[in-house]
Amino acid sequence: GEEVAQTPKHLVRGEGQKAKLYCAPIKGHSYVFWYQQVLKNEFKFLISFQNENVFDETGMPKERFSAKCLPNSPCSLEIQATKLEDSAVYFCASSPKQAHYGYTFGSGTRLTVV
Amino acid sequence: AQSVTQLDSHVSVSEGTPVLLRCNYSSSYSPSLFWYVQHPNKGLQLLLKYTSAATLVKGINGFEAEFKKSETSFHLTKPSAHMSDAAEYFCVVSSSNDYKLSFGAGTTVTVRA
Repeated sequence: GEEVAQTPKHLVRGEGQKAKLYCAPIKGHSYVFWYQQVLKNEFKFLISFQNENVFDETGMPKERFSAKCLPNSPCSLEIQATKLEDSAVYFCASSPKQAHYGYTFGSGTRLTVV
Repeated sequence: AQSVTQLDSHVSVSEGTPVLLRCNYSSSYSPSLFWYVQHPNKGLQLLLKYTSAATLVKGINGFEAEFKKSETSFHLTKPSAHMSDAAEYFCVVSSSNDYKLSFGAGTTVTVRA
């Protein structure tokens, strides 16, 4: 389809619990990106994939965050032992082979850590 | 390195009047530039993009933007604002070397009846 599908829309976790977010990119797109919107106007890059391979992970807090994009499965972003500061909206975007020509964003997953 | 500066944090217009949202960028590589709109509690919707073709770009919902390399600007305009245009607008730049996006701080648009 022509949409980037993110699930779930909302996720509530107690501090210390695990959170797992999913993203199905547009079929045929080669790149997947994860961004964290912490404040209304602040987007932080987390990680990008080129097909199943990590392309750039310079934004990932590696001690608790991990991500995968496996063939024939939605991509996933997992947070072990969530902290209050992980509360944010997590956006996934996908783009075609010429990545900088267009990024389609999903509708986001709002994670609330209580 | 790349960055985006949105010159107005808040723009208020009357319905039916023009809208201008200003954006300046810096980029070490050939930039691609985008405008996205975010309605409350919603995702990011692409309005338009510049990717080294025509400098005047037309987008959805009557929006357009002009890429001016000499001024490093990519301002967004709409001739006649509609109530449904009330939202947050983000100017975004991507470089051709690492594909990372840099977001501006956003401009909140309110539309008065």
